[in-house]
Amino acid sequence: AQSVTQLGSHVSVSEGALVLLRCNYSSSVPPYLFWYVQYPNQGLQLLLKYTSAATLVKGINGFEAEFKKSETSFHLTKPSAHMSDAAEYFCAVSARGRGYSTLTFGKGTMLLVSP
Amino acid sequence: EAGVVQSPRYKIIEKKQPVAFWCNPISGHNTLYWYLQNLGQGPELLIRYENEEAVDDSQLPKDRFSAERLKGVDSTLKIQPAELGDSAVYLCASSIDRNTGELFFGEGSRLTVL
Repeated sequence: AQSVTQLGSHVSVSEGALVLLRCNYSSSVPPYLFWYVQYPNQGLQLLLKYTSAATLVKGINGFEAEFKKSETSFHLTKPSAHMSDAAEYFCAVSARGRGYSTLTFGKGTMLLVSP
Repeated sequence: EAGVVQSPRYKIIEKKQPVAFWCNPISGHNTLYWYLQNLGQGPELLIRYENEEAVDDSQLPKDRFSAERLKGVDSTLKIQPAELGDSAVYLCASSIDRNTGELFFGEGSRLTVL
């Protein structure tokens, strides 16, 4: 079984400030981990993924995330927020090496960016 | 390359009426998913197809929901009859690498049941 917990349903930052969105996972086998972004009235778009290579993963739009096995975490960061980053962000986990793997999503964190 | 295409984008129906959603995945993606997204929640899997075969439909409410993927390409998700609680966004996704679970999503079909 696998699950994801996203801490904070809403996170507010000022433009130019650090963005930190928290994600903790639970998985009985080594996981693959993902961050997706969803803009209003759109589908989900992949930001970045961890699939057992480097533990620090860089994604699109300046985002990155670090896989920490000891903390079962995969937090998403960006050094400087832009207004265009305002969206909902979902962390997701799938079970590595299980063939037919299904993605399990967290409940999402809405990122609000103020001028 | 075209992305995952869903239709209709929006649908408003009266309760007890039927409704159907259509999805065309990315060409070459053998795995297709239907997810349900309630307001303020993350997507939840309804059904997953590998080609024509439904390999995981454990979360599909089979008393009123049905799905098919004829010829292993397009898919249709049907609800009959619809209930008020079915108001949500129905997301279709496809993937080419079933082992990692990296998905490509359509824009979704937003259902409102009155």
